[in-house]
Amino acid sequence: RKEVEQDPGPFNVPEGATVAFNCTYSNSASQSFFWYRQDCRKEPKLLMSVYSSGNEDGRFTAQLNRASQYISLLIRDSKLSDSATYLCVVRDYGGATNKLIFGTGTLLAVQP
Amino acid sequence: DAGVIQSPRHEVTEMGQEVTLRCKPISGHDYLFWYRQTMMRGLELLIYFNNNVPIDDSGMPEDRFSAKMPNASFSTLKIQPSEPRDSAVYFCASRPRDRLNQPQHFGDGTRLSIL
Repeated sequence: RKEVEQDPGPFNVPEGATVAFNCTYSNSASQSFFWYRQDCRKEPKLLMSVYSSGNEDGRFTAQLNRASQYISLLIRDSKLSDSATYLCVVRDYGGATNKLIFGTGTLLAVQP
Repeated sequence: DAGVIQSPRHEVTEMGQEVTLRCKPISGHDYLFWYRQTMMRGLELLIYFNNNVPIDDSGMPEDRFSAKMPNASFSTLKIQPSEPRDSAVYFCASRPRDRLNQPQHFGDGTRLSIL
């Protein structure tokens, strides 16, 4: 089983739609969680951190369910510019480990 | 402010040749990471350094791969000899001292093609 699993998509949605991505992680000791965005042929960039109580940044809402080891990202009123790959990322603590574990990403294509 | 700088941006070479990828982290960042990204396996951590010291190299695929960080502003990832299956995008990233939720900043990557 992969440490971080995501549906690869693609998710094809019309402009203005609401779309949700899910992610599961295997290590219950994981401490920090993020969503990164990667545009085609570009580097990954931090989109937002994910906090236990859930958090919102404009049209983006991230949620964490530690009991189910599940992370989600909701995008409301999607724009053409939201088209990208969204990477679910988990950070492990403890011992000598200080690594980010990346999911393989979910591809979003917003259609006009 | 300058971000993470990687060179070259693209590299095409024949199998068996030595390949050296270079990275300059953001000034003041204590951590440096080397990743490899392929369609099949996604983004994989190869090795990371803290204050120029290698901390975890468990992701380095085999002895053909080596990484060094001789000082705080420079790191190299070397593949010798290179093989076609090494073709991928290699990213370098850096991060400040360990604080909760501190993001990593990625360079533009090196697109490596081994023929």
